Amino acid sequence: TQLLEQSPQFLSIQEGENLTVYCNSSSVFSSLQWYRQEPGEGPVLLVTVVTGGEVKKLKRLTFQFGDARKDSSLHITAAQPGDTGLYLCAGAGGAGSYQLTFGKGTKLSVIP
Amino acid sequence: ETGVTQTPRHLVMGMTNKKSLKCEQHLGHNAMYWYKQSAKKPLELMFVYSLEERVENNSVPSRFSPECPNSSHLFLHLHTLQPEDSALYLCASSPSARGWSPLHFGNGTRLTVT
Repeated sequence: TQLLEQSPQFLSIQEGENLTVYCNSSSVFSSLQWYRQEPGEGPVLLVTVVTGGEVKKLKRLTFQFGDARKDSSLHITAAQPGDTGLYLCAGAGGAGSYQLTFGKGTKLSVIP
Repeated sequence: ETGVTQTPRHLVMGMTNKKSLKCEQHLGHNAMYWYKQSAKKPLELMFVYSLEERVENNSVPSRFSPECPNSSHLFLHLHTLQPEDSALYLCASSPSARGWSPLHFGNGTRLTVT
């Protein structure tokens, strides 16, 4: 069974601070997706990383896929209240797999 | 407008009731999914449909019965549920049913079983 561990589980920071959240596994994934879920809504895809060592930037968000494709991180620069939400990582398995493996998420609160 | 619409948004039902959740996608996707989201647990995949054919059933109790009449609509029929079935039920669609295909989620149905 593939498991994804996300840390920290909860994070509360002041507006303008930087933060990093992590997604770790002992399994190799063919790709990894990050989603953000705001209260009362469904998760929304932020990015997909595919290549080991890959770095993708989305405005103030920087996503990195580990060289061994077992872990990933999300760094937010100068956090804003609009970044508040539950951040989920999800790993895709090999060929023939229908399933994404989700982590439990990191709940981020950015205080104005 | 998420492209995936779920109704109702909230549902309270007794353990002896029968109800159905509805999902509709306007994205032209070929795959549709039901997920269960409970506090302090990862998203749990329940069912996967690809081109209206069920391709995965993750050992879900028979009190949950999915139906996919066409590639745009997905239902989850509920009967004789238990209080532990209370959760947020999320529908999603994707271009294909393969694991790397990104998911487009609806806003969910918050189900409470009393």
